[in-house]
This record gives sequence, C-alpha cells and structure tokens, in this order.
Amino acid sequence: QVQLQQWGAGLLKPSETLSLTCAVYGESFSGYYWSWIRQPPGKGLEWIGEIIHSGSTNYNPSLKSRVTISVDTSKNQFSLRLSSVTAADTAVYYCARMKWLRPYYYYYMDVWGKGTTVTVSS
Amino acid sequence: EMVMTQSPATLSVSPGERATLSCRASQSVSSNLAWYQQKPGQAPRLLIYGASTRATGIPARFSGSGSGTEFTLTISSLQSEDFAVYYCHHYNNWPPLLTFGGGTKVEIK
Repeated sequence: QVQLQQWGAGLLKPSETLSLTCAVYGESFSGYYWSWIRQPPGKGLEWIGEIIHSGSTNYNPSLKSRVTISVDTSKNQFSLRLSSVTAADTAVYYCARMKWLRPYYYYYMDVWGKGTTVTVSS
Repeated sequence: EMVMTQSPATLSVSPGERATLSCRASQSVSSNLAWYQQKPGQAPRLLIYGASTRATGIPARFSGSGSGTEFTLTISSLQSEDFAVYYCHHYNNWPPLLTFGGGTKVEIK
C-alpha cells in the first residue's frame, strides 16, 4: 500500500524559505506526477506544482517565481522549497500522487500525505 | 484561465436525504474531472475520477455525472460520516495547470 510521509519546518519568519520533503513508500516513483498542494486556514485547496521522476516540473503560475520542486529518486523522495515567505503562505501543505486514466488522460490524486502545518510569523 | 465554480457553497441536508453538488468549468474539460471529500483536520480523499468512476473503496451511494462544463456529485442517502467539504478538480496537461473548485460544505440540517 502506497504511503506518503511528509516533514519539514513548521514555523518560519517572513522572508525565510519554506522547505518540505515527502517520502514515497510502497510504490515505484516512476509513472506518476508527484504534487504539492496547500490550504490556508479556513480556505480551499491550491495547487503549487508537480514533478515526475525525470525531474521535469510544472508550477502554478501564481507561485512559479518562488517555487522549486526537486526529486531524489534514490530515496524515493521529492521536496518543495518556497522562498521569501509571507503570512499569506501560512497553510497546511500536502504532498500527493497524481495518476491518469489511460487512454483518456483523466487525472486524479489518489494518495495524499497527512499534511504539514506551516506558519509564517515574525 | 480555467475556473471551476462549485455550488452551493453550503448545503444543509438531513441524514438519509439526498445531496446534489454542482461543479461548473469555465471551458469544456470533457470528463477530466475528479471529486474529493475532506473532513476537518484530514487530507482530501479521492471519491470520483473521470467524472463518474468511483475510486477504490468508495461506497455506491456516491455517484458522479456530467461532461463538458457541468458536473454533479450525488450522495444518495447521507450518512453521518458524509458531512464534510467536497471539492472538484481538473488538471489540464497543456499548459499544465491544476484547478480546484472552491468547495461545497455539506452540513447537518
């Protein structure tokens, strides 16, 4: 059974860099998109970006200038870095696996991490 | 830019009743739409993908329908564990962009 375990610093000061890692257990790393999603307190879900095993990435244009997603296939892990954080980046951050239904290319996220609460405060 | 609009924002339903949730896409997405359930303090859980296919382990009382720009999630007979927030989701593979709807909260009437 596939499991995602995520970790990282939970309290940051404005202008610091958020850093989170998600480890994939019980499944091959290849053949999927590995995504980061966040949810500000009391609000909806926002996609941050994704990576595949080759290292190719896609980012939400609204965050692209500050986001870096990387992969370490030897450890079955992928990571998120978000620079120059502000209070607006306070949120629960989730990692997730995205699959697609062939041959239709219908996409869906079927496995999620438990979430990491990140608070940005001076 | 794709916009996913969910309605209503809040739905008050009595246990055992039927709940109908709507998701509208600003442009056609074919059947490339998924639904998720989220309970307080938990990660979202996949319910439906491909607009109408239930994910593994999802009870038959959950059903999805629609294509193009109009989609519906129906819960045929609400159980106590179904009171939650529901999100629709579309991923466009070019240019790559994943969009969530704003969510519908299903609460006890």
